[in-house]
Amino acid sequence: AQSVAQPEDQVNVAEGNPLTVKCTYSVSGNPYLFWYVQYPNRGLQFLLKYITGDNLVKGSYGFEAEFNKSQTSFHLKKPSALVSDSALYFCAVREDGGATNKLIFGTGTLLAVQP
Amino acid sequence: DVKVTQSSRYLVKRTGEKVFLECVQDMDHENMFWYRQDPGLGLRLIYFSYDVKMKEKGDIPEGYSVSREKKERFSLILESASTNQTSMYLCASHGYESAGAQETQYFGPGTRLLVL
Repeated sequence: AQSVAQPEDQVNVAEGNPLTVKCTYSVSGNPYLFWYVQYPNRGLQFLLKYITGDNLVKGSYGFEAEFNKSQTSFHLKKPSALVSDSALYFCAVREDGGATNKLIFGTGTLLAVQP
Repeated sequence: DVKVTQSSRYLVKRTGEKVFLECVQDMDHENMFWYRQDPGLGLRLIYFSYDVKMKEKGDIPEGYSVSREKKERFSLILESASTNQTSMYLCASHGYESAGAQETQYFGPGTRLLVL
């Protein structure tokens, strides 16, 4: 069965420092991997996705994610954090060939960027 | 510019009431989804629909039903609301937001439901 794990409930980082939000996945086939962000009292917004190709994927708001097949990971990164990046981040996976486009979401990681 | 809308942002209902949550998308997407979001549990899929009048149960369908009479509208129904259905409910549709955009799920703003 497909699954994703976000091992950290919360990540704290100082403004200007690099940030990493971790995600590991488990699928039987080729994974489609996604990152979404949720600001308070809002729906989820798409940040980026990996399907195939380059292991480093660039997305919205300066975020990028690195796909690592051997470690089954897809960590979200940003070189320099902003206070406005403070939000809840979700990793999600869809199995290649999934006809229904269903996603399995992680439990979320709260990113807190201190000024 | 709003693509996925939900009928209410906040809703307060009594135990036993029938509750309707409406979701409308204007992107002509075939696939639509209802999730509930609870702290520490992430998003859990309640039901999804891959076409008009077509629906499938997700991971936690008990106590819920859905209706998809038109392509743009996907309704979630709580037949008899209970306090354990107090949650944030998120609707999503899958596809392209516009020409050149990424194919992904697009979410509505959510409905925070409190059942007393």
